[in-house]
Amino acid sequence: DTGVSQNPRHKITKRGQNVTFRCDPISEHNRLYWYRQTLGQGPEFLTYFQNEAQLEKSRLLSDRFSAERPKGSFSTLEIQRTEQGDSAMYLCASSPTGTPIEPQHFGDGTRLSIL
Amino acid sequence: DQQVKQNSPSLSVQEGRISILNCDYTNSMFDYFLWYKKYPAEGPTFLISISSIKDKNEDGRFTVFLNKSAKHLSLHIVPSQPGDSAVYFCAASAVIGTNAGKSTFGDGTTLTVKP
Repeated sequence: DTGVSQNPRHKITKRGQNVTFRCDPISEHNRLYWYRQTLGQGPEFLTYFQNEAQLEKSRLLSDRFSAERPKGSFSTLEIQRTEQGDSAMYLCASSPTGTPIEPQHFGDGTRLSIL
Repeated sequence: DQQVKQNSPSLSVQEGRISILNCDYTNSMFDYFLWYKKYPAEGPTFLISISSIKDKNEDGRFTVFLNKSAKHLSLHIVPSQPGDSAVYFCAASAVIGTNAGKSTFGDGTTLTVKP
């Protein structure tokens, strides 16, 4: 169990640029989640995948956001035309099957700063 | 409309004493409740969980109590240790309904255990 890996750890970019984050879940974990966390708040759900299928997207996920999980392995989260309000910590988590009692295993996040 | 609330942003206790962290929720459809601990620059890690059909779950120094009628749960840590100093998140999940498939988090309580 190598844990959930997220890259990059930090991303600084100018407003209007596109950014892409990568998440490598624990191998054989079928469920993968993306959350966003801002200072003083808990993780807010963005989207989740069951294998390669994206099953739900939060209304927080505007059309500038897109997530993929090709082949049900790693996932990418892309933000187009970044805005100041996109500055946050983006967390990825995975779990074996996605049943509600299963704890989620989190990566250490990607911190996005928009200049 | 925040469905999971942790009304105490911070808590400070003396080493060896009991720490009690509280969490309230509004949605009676939640079936499972989980506590996560987060150290700076790391992702949240799972601590302990409880099903809505139980009122207590214990794991070593950690005990979670659930009062379903009051929609309230609490995490007890006894005895508290300096290494317990972290941010604690309460999370809730459901089997069916709009909250199914994902966890809803509170905003966290920062626990400081003083030597």
